[in-house]
Order: sequence, then C-alpha cells, then structure tokens
Amino acid sequence: DGGITQSPKYLFRKEGQNVTLSCEQNLNHDAMYWYRQDPGQGLRLIYYSQIVNDFQKGDIAEGYSVSREKKESFPLTVTSAQKNPTAFYLCASREGTYGYTFGSGTRLTVV
Amino acid sequence: RKEVEQDPGPFNVPEGATVAFNCTYSNSASQSFFWYRQDCRKEPKLLMSVYSSGNEDGRFTAQLNRASQYISLLIRDSKLSDSATYLCVVNSYNQGGKLIFGQGTELSVKP
Repeated sequence: DGGITQSPKYLFRKEGQNVTLSCEQNLNHDAMYWYRQDPGQGLRLIYYSQIVNDFQKGDIAEGYSVSREKKESFPLTVTSAQKNPTAFYLCASREGTYGYTFGSGTRLTVV
Repeated sequence: RKEVEQDPGPFNVPEGATVAFNCTYSNSASQSFFWYRQDCRKEPKLLMSVYSSGNEDGRFTAQLNRASQYISLLIRDSKLSDSATYLCVVNSYNQGGKLIFGQGTELSVKP
C-alpha cells in the first residue's frame, strides 16, 4: 500500500544534540512538507519541497534543516540551534490540488 | 489576524445531535479548501474537500462561501466515534502551494 512512513515514532534529544527525523513516501508525490504541532495548537510549516533538490523555508525554519536528494525522501534535522524542539513533527506529501497525506508523526522530547 | 480561524472549542454534544463548525480565511486568493480530522495524538486525516457548490458525504456536509470567505462543516446524527479535533485547511497558490491549518475545534460526543 502507498503511504508515508515516519521514523522513529518517539525520539529523545539531549541538550545540544542534533537529531534527524526520517520521512519516506512511495506515493510518487512531488511535493513534501514538514510541520510542527505543539499541544493545543495548530500545525506550523517548517520546510517544504516541491521538487527534488529544491526546498523552501516555511514559517518557522530557524533551527531546522532539510534535504531532498531523492523524490521519496525528505529528512528533517533538528539542530542544537532550535531552543524549544519538544513537539509532534508531521511529514506530508501532496500531488496537485489534492489534500495532504500525512505520516503518523514523530514525537520529539528534550531530556 | 490569523489566516485561518475556527470556532473555539470544545463542543460537547450528546449522541444524535447535529453540530456545525465554522471557519473563516483571510486570503481571497485561496483556491482549495479541506476539512481534516485529528484524533488524539494521531496525524490529521483528510475528511473531505470543500467545493463551491457544497458537498455531502454521508452524515457530513461541507459548504463554502467565497464572497464571505467562510467554510462550514455540518455533522448530523453525531456518533461517539466522531469525537476528535476538526481542522479547517486552506490552500493558497501564491504561497508555494502550502496548506494553512486552523487551530482546530475539538468535538466530544457523549452517550
């Protein structure tokens, strides 16, 4: 079945550490997105990519980095510069004007 | 002003009730509209797209008023399983195709 796979489901980060969240899709979608959700709040866009080897900053890109070397993959790195990284991270892909398909998310906690 | 605004929740209703959610958006260039459902600690899932002529899917009816920049979702004969947070989502082609999410309205259906 086609879909988006995010891993890991839960991730714990120590202060000052960089961590990378994986997002893989087999839907053959061109566009991919990373969102962050904090408790009781809406989704905020971190980065997006509309084609391979190209990506754009979203509304809250500071402290994050991405790459898009393959159509299927759009990993997100949470760097030590992100001062408040504890959140639910959601990866999504989209084709044309249809709605997003989301992965099941990664819960990141700073310990 | 937020780009997408929804009724503040939560809505607490008995089984069988009819409940309506309202949403307004600020960007008149918006082209695509959706309602998503998000269960607790899960990813959002597409409930339905919203078309100018209005559309219905079983107990769910969505309406769009472009002149007023207003979207609605009506749930008839609500079930316990309808308990979730409902997200109003808007796409703008002049913003890189990204989707903009409202903060969500929580619905709790009681026996």
